[in-house]
Amino acid sequence: DSGVTQTPKHLITATGQRVTLRCSPRSGDLSVYWYQQSLDQGLQFLIQYYNGEERAKGNILERFSAQQFPDLHSELNLSSLELGDSALYFCGSSPEPIGGANVLTFGAGSRLTVL
Amino acid sequence: GESVGLHLPTLSVQEGDNSIINCAYSNSASDYFIWYKQESGKGPQFIIDIRSNMDKRQGQRVTVLLNKTVKHLSLQIAATQPGDSAVYFCAENMWVDSSYKLIFGSGTRLLVRP
Repeated sequence: DSGVTQTPKHLITATGQRVTLRCSPRSGDLSVYWYQQSLDQGLQFLIQYYNGEERAKGNILERFSAQQFPDLHSELNLSSLELGDSALYFCGSSPEPIGGANVLTFGAGSRLTVL
Repeated sequence: GESVGLHLPTLSVQEGDNSIINCAYSNSASDYFIWYKQESGKGPQFIIDIRSNMDKRQGQRVTVLLNKTVKHLSLQIAATQPGDSAVYFCAENMWVDSSYKLIFGSGTRLLVRP
């Protein structure tokens, strides 16, 4: 157990729908990262939060949004889902933004299937 | 975190041999690099990291080498074991669009033959 908790583990939904993925970081970690892992693209950086504030953005679609709450858990909202959004979504956390001794620890992921 | 289906380069080694996994990174200004291991059904797991002011770092059975001249990173695994079979990703901490981002490479699948 990495200490990073992601729910749900599996989610099957239809095109056009909206889903929310949840991440609880390791105790004491202030920074949360979201990544998408598709079959043909490896791990793609989506967005990073630090202590409730957005810190960095990757190639996150406008249909996707995220936030980090005061208790430091984070949610990734995916709307108007398309078949191509089917992927594994990973959340990682670190004490501070990456660098130095701050290693990014990942959860087990949420597998989204869009039918 | 299943990687089945990814069209990854594959390294096949005999159990007990040493493995070398290579990675070319993209940004000469990247200051921090990490190797991750991803087993089937799991999230990426930290193996070892190295800062840009170093050229070598050793862990337990693993060594990371950094060659900044050619922007190349390698992971050496000594006495490879069946449990080392996984997909290995390098990641670089890159300054892009006014912020640092941890960007992953495409990965290499390591298969250990018994």
